[in-house]
Amino acid sequence: SAVISQKPSRDICQRGTSLTIQCQVDSQVTMMFWYRQQPGQSLTLIATANQGSEATYESGFVIDKFPISRPNLTFSTLTVSNMSPEDSSIYLCSVSRAMDGELFFGEGSRLTVL
Amino acid sequence: AQSVTQPDIHITVSEGASLELRCNYSYGATPYLFWYVQSPGQGLQLLLKYFSGDTLVQGIKGFEAEFKRSQSSFNLRKPSVHWSDAAEYFCAVGPDNYGQNFVFGPGTRLSVLP
Repeated sequence: SAVISQKPSRDICQRGTSLTIQCQVDSQVTMMFWYRQQPGQSLTLIATANQGSEATYESGFVIDKFPISRPNLTFSTLTVSNMSPEDSSIYLCSVSRAMDGELFFGEGSRLTVL
Repeated sequence: AQSVTQPDIHITVSEGASLELRCNYSYGATPYLFWYVQSPGQGLQLLLKYFSGDTLVQGIKGFEAEFKRSQSSFNLRKPSVHWSDAAEYFCAVGPDNYGQNFVFGPGTRLSVLP
């Protein structure tokens, strides 16, 4: 399995500020993903974090709002920029390895924007 | 486009009772199917998965699921529920096991009465 650590686990932020979430994996992985889980909702994929190239964003998500870095095969960051209360969600990092055939998830970063 | 429905938003069962959570999917080819559980304040943990072969799959924590192609269903079952099973359950479908293009259902919240 893959063990994923996310920081921060939770934060309360002011409107208009930005927050960077870190995701560290205990082994090298090919695919890393960032999901958003709005209150009481299911998971929505924000983007796929590609090592060595720009992230691939899903419809409705843009790089200016959610810049992503993937400097190596074990680490990624997601920044939530110019936050508004609508950005209050749980942000989840996930990874997959072909040998496992499943997605592994971090415990999530619970963000509250006032 | 692929989609996943979980008809039951919230289910309440008594401890020791049997459980069945429903999942229906829409997908043009043979899907990869997954059930995840999310305990309060936690990330998602894989319960079980189906890729091919035996349509009845066993998972962790005493859960099992049955793939029925004719009904496009992948229902999750447990013969005797424990209080610690109270959580949110998500069904997911994907075109492969690499994590790309996964679609998650809306989730079913399980409450367990003592």
